[in-house]
Amino acid sequence: DTAVSQTPKYLVTQMGNDKSIKCEQNLGHDTMYWYKQDSKKFLKIMFSYNNKELIINETVPNRFSPKSPDKAHLNLHINSLELGDSAVYFCASSQGSLALIFGPGTRLTVL
Amino acid sequence: KNEVEQSPQNLTAQEGEFITINCSYSVGISALHWLQQHPGGGIVSLFMLSSGKKKHGRLIATINIQEKHSSLHITASHPRDSAVYICAVRWYSGGSNYKLTFGKGTLLTVNP
Repeated sequence: DTAVSQTPKYLVTQMGNDKSIKCEQNLGHDTMYWYKQDSKKFLKIMFSYNNKELIINETVPNRFSPKSPDKAHLNLHINSLELGDSAVYFCASSQGSLALIFGPGTRLTVL
Repeated sequence: KNEVEQSPQNLTAQEGEFITINCSYSVGISALHWLQQHPGGGIVSLFMLSSGKKKHGRLIATINIQEKHSSLHITASHPRDSAVYICAVRWYSGGSNYKLTFGKGTLLTVNP
C-alpha cells in the first residue's frame, strides 16, 4: 500500500496555465507538507498543514495555494504558471515526533 | 533564520569504506532529520533525532545538541548507498510555528 501518493507524476504545461497536484496519505498523520526541489536539487518547504490549519507558510508567491479538503489530503494549486515554477514538487506527511514520509514527487515542466 | 550547513558537498568512496557526513545548524532545534534521495528522485527519511544516537543496519546517526551538530555514518559502504543525503532541522520560529530548514545535501558516490 502506498503511504504517501501524488498525482500526476509528470506534468507538462504552458506558461500562464493553472494546474493542481494532488497528495494523499493513508497513514493517519496529522501534518502534511509541500516541498519544492529546484534544478540544483535544493529542497525548500513551501507549506505545512496540521489538522487543516496552515502552520508554516514560507515566502512563496501567492499563485501557489494549498488546499486541504480533509486530514488525508493536501493539494497544491498553482495559478498563472511561470517558467521558474518548473521543479519537482514533493508532498510529505508526519505524525508528532515521527519521521517524515515523502511522496514520489511530481515533476512539473512549464514551457 | 536557521543556517544549515552540510559537509562535504561531494564524497566519493570505495566500497567497504566508513563514511561520515556532517550537518551543523545555527539555532536550537526540536528535531533533526536525515534524508536519502536516490538518483531516481524518491526521498526516504532515514532518521529523526532529537538527542543521542540512532542505528539502523549499517547507518548510524548522532546528534550533539550543545554543539549544534549531527553526523551520519555509513559502515561498510556499498555502491547502493550512492545517493544524496540531506539534513533537515525542525526549529521553533515563534508563536505556535515550527519551521523546517534543509541543508543543500551531500552527494555520495560509492565505487565498487
